[in-house]
Amino acid sequence: DGGITQSPKYLFRKEGQNVTLSCEQNLNHDAMYWYRQDPGQGLRLIYYSQIVNDFQKGDIAEGYSVSREKKESFPLTVTSAQKNPTAFYLCASSIRGDNQPQHFGDGTRLSIL
Amino acid sequence: AQSVTQLDSHVSVSEGTPVLLRCNYSSSYSPSLFWYVQHPNKGLQLLLKYTSAATLVKGINGFEAEFKKSETSFHLTKPSAHMSDAAEYFCVVSGGRGSTLGRLYFGRGTQLTVWP
Repeated sequence: DGGITQSPKYLFRKEGQNVTLSCEQNLNHDAMYWYRQDPGQGLRLIYYSQIVNDFQKGDIAEGYSVSREKKESFPLTVTSAQKNPTAFYLCASSIRGDNQPQHFGDGTRLSIL
Repeated sequence: AQSVTQLDSHVSVSEGTPVLLRCNYSSSYSPSLFWYVQHPNKGLQLLLKYTSAATLVKGINGFEAEFKKSETSFHLTKPSAHMSDAAEYFCVVSGGRGSTLGRLYFGRGTQLTVWP
């Protein structure tokens, strides 16, 4: 079945540590997105990529980094510069262009030790 | 700029009664609108999509939504709630001049509780 796989489902970070969240899709979608979800705030866009080797900052990119070396993969690194990283992180993908629905993975919950 | 406002953060209904989740949107041009559902610790699932065809859109699991341009609304309804409908629902807008290609703009969500 086609879909989006996020791993791990749960992740713990120590102070000063960088961690990387994995997102893989086999839907043959060009566009991929990372969102952060906090209770009562909906989804906020961190980074997005419309095509391989290109990505743009979203609304809350500070303290995060991404790469898009392959069409299928869009990993997100939460750096030590992100002071409040505890959240639920969602990856999505879509056909490139306006008005396209996005397909979501099941998320990674990141917590601070 | 595009934005959506979900008018209720929480809605509670009894099983078998109608569901109404309210959403108003703001967009400079005719938008595409979506409703998504999220169950606990899961990703978002697309319920339905409006893209300027019929104003009444039917989705999965018996949900439907009506696009009303004059009221800038896109409310989600279901005639009879089921226990499995308990989840968080997001109204989403996309597209239009001034938006970034492919971006979606999410409301803050409405938590639906269904009582037996």
